[in-house]
Amino acid sequence: GEDVEQSLFLSVREGDSSVINCTYTDSSSTYLYWYKQEPGAGLQLLTYIFSNMDMKQDQRLTVLLNKKDKHLSLRIADTQTGDSAIYFCAASRGANNLFFGTGTRLTVIP
Amino acid sequence: EAQVTQNPRYLITVTGKKLTVTCSQNMNHEYMSWYRQDPGLGLRQIYYSMNVEVTDKGDVPEGYKVSRKEKRNFPLILESPSPNQTSLYFCASTLKGPREDEQFFGPGTRLTVL
Repeated sequence: GEDVEQSLFLSVREGDSSVINCTYTDSSSTYLYWYKQEPGAGLQLLTYIFSNMDMKQDQRLTVLLNKKDKHLSLRIADTQTGDSAIYFCAASRGANNLFFGTGTRLTVIP
Repeated sequence: EAQVTQNPRYLITVTGKKLTVTCSQNMNHEYMSWYRQDPGLGLRQIYYSMNVEVTDKGDVPEGYKVSRKEKRNFPLILESPSPNQTSLYFCASTLKGPREDEQFFGPGTRLTVL
C-alpha cells in the first residue's frame, strides 16, 4: 500500500529557510499536498502541487516535486516563530482518499 | 462562518462504554471523513462518506462505526472502546472529494480510554 515518509523533527533559526522533505511510494498519486497543524488545532491546507509540475511557489512557500524519485519538499523562506507547527505531507490515493505522512514538527528558534 | 465542529473536544471514558463523537459541517459538503492522529503514525483514515447514506472503510476501521443520515452530520461511534483507541480524532469535510477540493478539518477530539 501507499507509504508517505517524513522526518519527525526540524529546528531552524528565525529568518533562515526551512526545508521539509517527504517521500511517497505510489507513483499514481496525482496530487501532493502540504498541510499545517498549529498547536491544539486541526490541519489546514497550505499548498498542493499536481504531479505534472516540478515546482510551485506561493509567497514564502516553494514546493518542489521530483516525480522520478517520488520526493516532495516544502521550503519556507524567512522562517518566523509563527511557522512553528507540525507539517504533514499527503498524497492522493485514487479520487476519494488522501494518505498522510507522519508529520514533521518544525521548531523556530528566536 | 464556514466550519467543521466536533463534540466533545475532550473525553475520558472506560473500556466498553459506548460513545459517540459528533461532527457537523455547515458548508453543504458532500464528502466527510474521520481520521485518528497518533504520535509517529501521522493521520490515518478511519471511515469516509461520499454522500448521504454512502460510507466506506478507510485504513483503520476496526472498532469504529459511522453513519451519514444527513449531509451535515457524520458521527463516529465506538461501540466498545478499548485503550488502543486512545487518540486524537479529526473530522474533515470537502465539497466533493479530497483530491481536488480542500479538506476542512475540525478542531479535534482528544479521547482517553482507561
